[in-house]
Amino acid sequence: NAGVTQTPKFRILKIGQSMTLQCTQDMNHNYMYWYRQDPGMGLKLIYYSVGAGITDKGEVPNGYNVSRSTTEDFPLRLELAAPSQTSVYFCASSYEGGVAGELFFGEGSRLTVL
Amino acid sequence: GQNIDQPTEMTATEGAIVQINCTYQTSGFNGLFWYQQHAGEAPTFLSYNVLDGLEEKGRFSSFLSRSKGYSYLLLKELQMKDSASYLCAVMDSNYQLIWGAGTKLIIKP
Repeated sequence: NAGVTQTPKFRILKIGQSMTLQCTQDMNHNYMYWYRQDPGMGLKLIYYSVGAGITDKGEVPNGYNVSRSTTEDFPLRLELAAPSQTSVYFCASSYEGGVAGELFFGEGSRLTVL
Repeated sequence: GQNIDQPTEMTATEGAIVQINCTYQTSGFNGLFWYQQHAGEAPTFLSYNVLDGLEEKGRFSSFLSRSKGYSYLLLKELQMKDSASYLCAVMDSNYQLIWGAGTKLIIKP
C-alpha cells in the first residue's frame, strides 16, 4: 500500500502565483485533512473532508481552497500566493473521525513563496 | 483559548529513560494523542489515551491525568533512532485535534 501520497515535495512560488498541492490515498479512508506546519508551532488544520463531496474549513482556511470529488483525492489550491503561506503542508487521512481517527500522514510538501 | 504546552527540546543518553511532558487547556476533552516525527518526515502515531492512567506499548508508555490536564510520554532503553520530535495533540469537544509545537528529543551516545 502506498498510503497517503503528496506531490510535489518541494516548490518555490512567486508572490501572486497559484498552485495546487495534490493528495491521494489508497486506504479507502473517508476522512481527509490538510495541515500546515510552521517552525515552533503546532500543526494547524486548513481544511478537512468527511467524505466525497463534503469539505469544511479548519482553523486557518484563508487563502486556500479544496475539493473532494472522489474518496481518494483531496487537492489543496493556493490562490495568489503570499510569503505567509511559506510552510510545510501535510495531507492526512483517517478511516473514521473523532476518537477512532488515527491519522496517516503524507510525506509533506515544502512550499516557499518569494 | 486552547493551549498545549510541551518543552521545546530535551537531551538524553542512549540506553537511558526520558519523560516528555504535555499540559493542556482545551474546550472539552476527547482524548490525547502522541505522534513521533523524524526530521523532514511525516508524523506517525504512537499512542492514544482517553482514560486516566498508563498505557504501555513496548518501550513507549503514555500517561494521562484528566483532572490535572497533564500527560507524559515515557521512552525507555533509548536508541539513537528515537531522536525525533514528539507531538502531543488533544481532541477537543468538537473532535478537532489541537496540536502542541512538539518536543525535539536529542539522543547522545
